[in-house]
Amino acid sequence: SQTIHQWPATLVQPVGSPLSLECTVEGTSNPNLYWYRQAAGRGLQLLFYSVGIGQISSEVPQNLSASRPQDRQFILSSKKLLLSDSGFYLCAWSPPPTEAFFGQGTRLTVV
Amino acid sequence: GIQVEQSPPDLILQEGANSTLRCNFSDSVNNLQWFHQNPWGQLINLFYIPSGTKQNGRLSATTVATERYSLLYISSSQTTDSGVYFCAVGDAGGTSYGKLTFGQGTILTVHP
Repeated sequence: SQTIHQWPATLVQPVGSPLSLECTVEGTSNPNLYWYRQAAGRGLQLLFYSVGIGQISSEVPQNLSASRPQDRQFILSSKKLLLSDSGFYLCAWSPPPTEAFFGQGTRLTVV
Repeated sequence: GIQVEQSPPDLILQEGANSTLRCNFSDSVNNLQWFHQNPWGQLINLFYIPSGTKQNGRLSATTVATERYSLLYISSSQTTDSGVYFCAVGDAGGTSYGKLTFGQGTILTVHP
């Protein structure tokens, strides 16, 4: 069966520091991969998606970037964090393009 | 882009009561999912239901794609049903790649 791993679960980082969040999927090949953010409140917003190695599409201009160095690995990065980058970040995968499955999320607090 | 509206925004129930959550969307979809977000933030897949009706225990869902809405039914609610329920849809446009647009959610609180 397929599983998705996301780490770390929580992270506290100072303003101006770099960020790297990692997500890996097991048990499938060539998945579509996604990064979402949930700010304080409710709705989730799609940040990036990827349909293959090295292919990244950005949905929202921001201080963040994403990379897909391997088929089942998706990384969210920032060179210098801002206070506004705080939030709950979730990685997801889908067999293209059907039901999506989410990781457990990373709660990022920028101080 | 596609718009997703969920109602009600908040719902308070006594244990054992039934409830209906609604999701309206503004355009044709090729994907519709219902999620439950638990207190730890994890999104639990409830239903993948771009059309038709499905049931899983005390939960059931119906999507009427032609009328652009979906309903989630919770029967005999339990305190463990508390949390936020999200509807998310995928645009049927050719380059959607399975991207989801989320509604703002319904916060359900079930009291014992």
